[in-house]
Amino acid sequence: EIVLTQSPGTLSLSPGERAILSCRASQSVSSSYLAWYRQKPGQAPRLLIYGASSRATGIPDRFSGSGSGTDFTLTISRLEPEDFAVYYCQQYGGSFTFGGGTKVEIK
Amino acid sequence: QLQLQESGPGLVKPSETLSLTCTVSGGSITSGSYYWGWIRQPPGKGLEWIGSGRHSGSTYYNPSLKSRVTISVDTSKNQFSLKLSSVTAADTAVYYCARRSPMTTVTYYFDFWGQGTLVTVSS
Repeated sequence: EIVLTQSPGTLSLSPGERAILSCRASQSVSSSYLAWYRQKPGQAPRLLIYGASSRATGIPDRFSGSGSGTDFTLTISRLEPEDFAVYYCQQYGGSFTFGGGTKVEIK
Repeated sequence: QLQLQESGPGLVKPSETLSLTCTVSGGSITSGSYYWGWIRQPPGKGLEWIGSGRHSGSTYYNPSLKSRVTISVDTSKNQFSLKLSSVTAADTAVYYCARRSPMTTVTYYFDFWGQGTLVTVSS
């Protein structure tokens, strides 16, 4: 099973700042199989990025994804109030696994 | 707009079988080449994929849960279901149903999710 490790566990930032979230895989993952989600409290996760760098329908361009192999990054260029939430990366390598999440909180 | 809605008992006794249904509206469960999946989230914890299935009967499961999981699709009702047997307190979680990316793509993700339903395992 491929294990995804997300860092940092918590990111404390102010609205308007840039957020950089990391997702590291225990073995190489195809970029096609890497996705990112945002989960607000009490809500289901929402797809942000698929294929490591493609934005899902309706996702604003302040969200961008990058990376390959074992290291992937989600960047939020300017944090909006609704972006303070938990973010998960997900991979598929015959079976789906999710990272442990990064919480982006207001500083 | 596609919508998914989970339904089923919120309380299940230990050793019994958890049964949930996901009703799909705004689209046909047989259209395209989509898989339909179940993901769960224990309170305060992260996400765990349980398994996925198609209207063709094809299914695949998380290896750690495979021996206890059955996913099936009912095309007549536009629903798919989850059965998880021999449950314990560790199976207490919010259970989400979701649509997986189509087989025609080389990308794998879940793009539409239900709101989730909390299932507690307790006597």
